[in-house]
Amino acid sequence: GQQLNQSPQSMFIQEGEDVSMNCTSSSIFNTWLWYKQEPGEGPVLLIALYKAGELTSNGRLTAQFGITRKDSFLNISASIPSDVGIYFCAGSRGGAGNMLTFGGGTRLMVKP
Amino acid sequence: DTGVSQNPRHKITKRGQNVTFRCDPISEHNRLYWYRQTLGQGPEFLTYFQNEAQLEKSRLLSDRFSAERPKGSFSTLEIQRTEQGDSAMYLCASSLAPDLNFNGYTFGSGTRLTVV
Repeated sequence: GQQLNQSPQSMFIQEGEDVSMNCTSSSIFNTWLWYKQEPGEGPVLLIALYKAGELTSNGRLTAQFGITRKDSFLNISASIPSDVGIYFCAGSRGGAGNMLTFGGGTRLMVKP
Repeated sequence: DTGVSQNPRHKITKRGQNVTFRCDPISEHNRLYWYRQTLGQGPEFLTYFQNEAQLEKSRLLSDRFSAERPKGSFSTLEIQRTEQGDSAMYLCASSLAPDLNFNGYTFGSGTRLTVV
């Protein structure tokens, strides 16, 4: 099935470092979402973006909705061990059902 | 409210057997979604309901798959004659519609199916 192109696939960083990951698509989305998933659990919403160019923060997390509406990035500042998990971008074209198309995920590992 | 609840959490079945999963959404949510997630991939949309009506089905949902939401509350997903390729995490999610700003869904913890 179609998925968004998410990079990098994995990151292994030192505690305290900043992290950046991004997501691109060949088509336009009206809403971009970023989720975090921990082992054995479902994805949990971190940030939702609704307008091209929008920059939104949630604590140490900052995400941007690309101007072309075909990309988004997520930054995590001053990483801590509990940031470990898989981060997924997801796009919605809106419409009746708001179905989501997900990226392949970025696995983040943080070394204390 | 305990969030979206899925049962069972894990299911191991032999190839060819039928399996059924249950999802209990957040009580006031009228939309319910099923997604499938294979190892190392993001979730992929399968189907969704608004109240009891099934409004969209993905091409991923073969004839062996059927989903119901008979009273607009809980939902079941049945897979008949399971194949090894059906091994995956099956995620249920719910949301309240209409919403002025789509705020994503609330996902359950999933049912992990292993077909041996």
